[in-house]
Amino acid sequence: NAGVTQTPKFQVLKTGQSMTLQCAQDMNHEYMSWYRQDPGMGLRLIHYSVGAGITDQGEVPNGYNVSRSTTEDFPLRLLSAAPSQTSVYFCASLGRLNTEAFFGQGTRLTVV
Amino acid sequence: GQQVMQIPQYQHVQEGEDFTTYCNSSTTLSNIQWYKQRPGGHPVFLIQLVKSGEVKKQKRLTFQFGEAKKNSSLHITATQTTDVGTYFCAGVSSNTGKLIFGQGTTLQVKP
Repeated sequence: NAGVTQTPKFQVLKTGQSMTLQCAQDMNHEYMSWYRQDPGMGLRLIHYSVGAGITDQGEVPNGYNVSRSTTEDFPLRLLSAAPSQTSVYFCASLGRLNTEAFFGQGTRLTVV
Repeated sequence: GQQVMQIPQYQHVQEGEDFTTYCNSSTTLSNIQWYKQRPGGHPVFLIQLVKSGEVKKQKRLTFQFGEAKKNSSLHITATQTTDVGTYFCAGVSSNTGKLIFGQGTTLQVKP
């Protein structure tokens, strides 16, 4: 059982480039979220989804887009990368509300 | 919006000493969860507290949920080097269902 899989693990982008961080889960979970982790800031919620076709903004959504066309996948798109988006990104899924979140291994993104 | 504040940000202890991290929410939570992240790793679920005033124990770890369901604490008795990592609390908003994390407390343990 793979759980939550994120790709890539590491990425370096130039300012202005776009890219998609992939997240897939094989647990048939309805709820999926994207977080970014920065020193001293904890885990901040970027976007989340309560099911296929439904997404909503979190605490820090600017500069990021998401879509949820299937239950399994929840990609995060950076439209025009900025140095302020240098961070570690985690994808998480929950089977239902008020249950534990399962995290992927993370993507370390550097924007130069 | 909902905010979850966690203190302290860092804690250095000698092996065998106790450790406590505190979590406070600006709004009433439906439940609170605790996670541990080892250096270089991803957050891993430890426990969930649901009831007002609830206390749960996992070996040397004691978790408490405040009576007003707006604060929580994690206490580790007699720390070991295996306790090293960052501990996060996370509140679930009863209005939105979103999981909002505190800033985390990074624990260093000197052998």
